[in-house]
Amino acid sequence: QVTLRESGPVVVRPTETLTLTCTVSGFSLSSPRVGVSWIRQPPGQALEWLAHIFSNDEKSFSASLKTRLSIYKDTSKSQVVLTMSNMDPLDTATYYCARTGVQLARPFDSWGPGTLVAVSS
Amino acid sequence: DIQMTQSPSSLSASVGDRVTITCRASQSISTFLHWYRQKPGEAPELLIYAASHLQSGVPSRFSGSGSGTDFTLIISNLQPEDFATYYCQQSYSSPPAYTFGQGTKLEIK
Repeated sequence: QVTLRESGPVVVRPTETLTLTCTVSGFSLSSPRVGVSWIRQPPGQALEWLAHIFSNDEKSFSASLKTRLSIYKDTSKSQVVLTMSNMDPLDTATYYCARTGVQLARPFDSWGPGTLVAVSS
Repeated sequence: DIQMTQSPSSLSASVGDRVTITCRASQSISTFLHWYRQKPGEAPELLIYAASHLQSGVPSRFSGSGSGTDFTLIISNLQPEDFATYYCQQSYSSPPAYTFGQGTKLEIK
């Protein structure tokens, strides 16, 4: 059974760096064609894709946020970590990690439950 | 960046109805288009991938079609759990830049 679960702080202060961890089970982060993305959703708003890491360690970032984002994985721990620098109240959102598996055209076939992060002083 | 535009933004329907949601891409994306349902307070779940392929475990009342720039999600025989928000998403971009539509909220009439 494939599962993903996000963890990290509930509140961060403006200008701080957010670090979120996605812990996966039921698959390996080194499996061919598998990848993990981070996606966020401000309250009452639409989904926004942030970053992706593939099994071969190739990375991709949202053009509008790439200067603030980094992503890496620790295959031995089954974890994918996202950092976002210089946090702002507008970054308040539920942050999800999601897997792209082996289906045609690489949809997000499994999602974590999400973690709500509030940016407030 | 490829932009995804859904219509309508919201619609009202009754249990048992058939509804259609459309998604338009700002450029051709072949069939690299997926549909998700998001119930309130929950994570999205995959319904349709590659424009027309039903995800395992998803009821057959969901169907998708389209290619290029125009895509459609049809939900037949609406059930109470289908009143939710629906998103389309493209995975055509290379390097990857997975973009979502703005969502369509389906409400009970």
